[in-house]
Amino acid sequence: DADVTQTPRNRITKTGKRIMLECSQTKGHDRMYWYRQDPGLGLRLIYYSFDVKDINKGEISDGYSVSRQAQAKFSLSLESAIPNQTALYFCATSDWTSGEETQYFGPGTRLLVL
Amino acid sequence: QKEVEQNSGPLSVPEGAIASLNCTYSDRVSQSFFWYRQYSGKSPELIMSIYSNGDKEDGRFTAQLNKASQYVSLLIRDSQPSDSATYLCAVTRINTGFQKLVFGTGTRLLVSP
Repeated sequence: DADVTQTPRNRITKTGKRIMLECSQTKGHDRMYWYRQDPGLGLRLIYYSFDVKDINKGEISDGYSVSRQAQAKFSLSLESAIPNQTALYFCATSDWTSGEETQYFGPGTRLLVL
Repeated sequence: QKEVEQNSGPLSVPEGAIASLNCTYSDRVSQSFFWYRQYSGKSPELIMSIYSNGDKEDGRFTAQLNKASQYVSLLIRDSQPSDSATYLCAVTRINTGFQKLVFGTGTRLLVSP
């Protein structure tokens, strides 16, 4: 079984709709991240969380919100989707207790906003 | 200037050759450096991490770091068609006490049989 899972894997929605992308992990890591990837722009950090009570904005948080329901679950919401949020979204986890900030990625969610 | 710069490629090499992928970064205090491989439509997968100047070898992969030149590279020996992918360089940057990971846009590698 995959250590980091994302649902749904693909999603088509319309402008103005609210949608939620979910991430779960069985790695036991405290830190979780949401990124989006666009052609030519690379991976950009949306939000990150160090534990259930510690959530922080990344470089492109506008139009997004997150919820850390448990150590293992981190959800990303688009409150009112717009076409330029069409992208590939990745959840990632890392274990700082090892002293290394190695991040492990989920399989991704491909989102299309019409 | 981008924080992490990579040539987008594609870099084309024949099977069995050495592929050399390069990355420069702008923040002198960066401490950790990573190479990820990403197949089309898939998630990034960690190949190598390097933290100190010099070379680090793992199988067919060698990462090289030169902090004075702010340069990190990845060598792939005996390249195989299965190595064809986009390679992402990632560098940590201190951000309010958090070592944020900053990614380059990736270099596409094509290994021809």
